Amino acid sequence: EIVMTQSPATLAVSPGERATLSCRASQSVSSNLAWYQQKPGQAPRLLIYGASTRATGIPARFSGSGSGTEFTLTISSVLSEDFAVYYCQQYNNWRTFGQGTKVEIK
Amino acid sequence: QVQLVQSGAEVKKPGASVKVSCKPSGYTFTSHEINWVRQATGQGLEWMGWMNPNSDDTGYAQKFQGRVTMTRNTSINTAYMELSNLRSEDTAVYYCARGRHAGATDFWGQGTLVTVSS
Repeated sequence: EIVMTQSPATLAVSPGERATLSCRASQSVSSNLAWYQQKPGQAPRLLIYGASTRATGIPARFSGSGSGTEFTLTISSVLSEDFAVYYCQQYNNWRTFGQGTKVEIK
Repeated sequence: QVQLVQSGAEVKKPGASVKVSCKPSGYTFTSHEINWVRQATGQGLEWMGWMNPNSDDTGYAQKFQGRVTMTRNTSINTAYMELSNLRSEDTAVYYCARGRHAGATDFWGQGTLVTVSS
């Protein structure tokens, strides 16, 4: 099973700041990597697929990069509605999720 | 618009089975795989498996092999996930989600809380 490791576990940022979240795969997943946002009491929402393609309706402040084993989700200027938990997921070999990064208000 | 509507909350005793349904609408049921993901309270997301509604092919995470069965009824456009031999650690919210973009999931159901308690 491919293990996905996200860092940091918690990221404290102020509104308007840039947020950078990392995701590492235990073996190459090529570009078969998605990012999701989850708010309390809600189902996850797809943000990014193919490592860098924004899903329909996702604002441009969200961007993804990377390939192979190292990936990054960047929120260029965090808004209040962006405080949430973010998960990466590989779908190169079955599917596995990272443990999540909580983005909280600084 | 695309929606996935799941069945209601369940309470089960250890050793029992639970069957959760997922009824998509707004697209052709057989054109996208259905994934099942669970989340224990305060924990992360755990992928359980997928099903191809067109072919009935399935793929299960190793952890759930032998305990989970994913099926569908194309006459009523409904997918099912059955988990057997329940234990307390299976208490979680279970989600179905539509597969898209070669493996990501773009629309999710509202979740079904399954509580396992004696």
